[in-house]
Amino acid sequence: QSVLTQPPSVSGAPGQRVTISCTGSNSNIGAGHNLHWYQHLPGTAPKVLIYGNTNRPSGVPDRFSASKSGTSASLAITGLQAEDEAVYYCQSYDSSLSGWVFGGGTKLTVL
Amino acid sequence: QVQLVQSGAEVKKPGASVRISCKASGYTFTKYAIHWVRQAPGQRPEWMGWLNAGSGHRKHSQKLQGRVTFTSDTSASMAYMELSGLRSEDTAVYYCARAVDAPMITPNWFDPWGQGTLVTVSS
Repeated sequence: QSVLTQPPSVSGAPGQRVTISCTGSNSNIGAGHNLHWYQHLPGTAPKVLIYGNTNRPSGVPDRFSASKSGTSASLAITGLQAEDEAVYYCQSYDSSLSGWVFGGGTKLTVL
Repeated sequence: QVQLVQSGAEVKKPGASVRISCKASGYTFTKYAIHWVRQAPGQRPEWMGWLNAGSGHRKHSQKLQGRVTFTSDTSASMAYMELSGLRSEDTAVYYCARAVDAPMITPNWFDPWGQGTLVTVSS
């Protein structure tokens, strides 16, 4: 099964920087498919944070940034705020599965 | 603003079917595909497929082929997802989401998402 792998949880104090990794394979990230990141707060609809590996939609603070290299990608959040506490998912396309795939999600806790 | 509003929660018995609606507003419905994603408790989101109401093109995930049907009513800007042969493993929150694209960026990303519809399958 071709999937995207994320750490289950990360944490940081207010004001700190955290990163969330997303590891794929040659059938998804490594195949050149772009990666997108979503923020999911409990009871709400997921919201796109980053699209096309590194692009922020309007309205998303520049505290959020992302990068991609080879078969992996990462999301960085600087100046952590309490409101950033959420689950973050990466998403791409998998050529073997012929469909969109998601990471398992990473719960960010702001200490 | 661009918005997707889904129908309410459903409780179904095993073997039954469920149909969820997704009402689009704030944009031209036929210009963007609608994707369906579900998330079972404690699981990662699972992509189910998509329908482009403008072209009629659609695609289902390999896993759900044969059990899921995507339809639309363009006059009402509504998309529908019907899942048949329900089993307990289909208990999940189901989302519709608009597919967005941009030059040189594939695959599409999803923005916005509907609020989600909880489907519980239980005898």
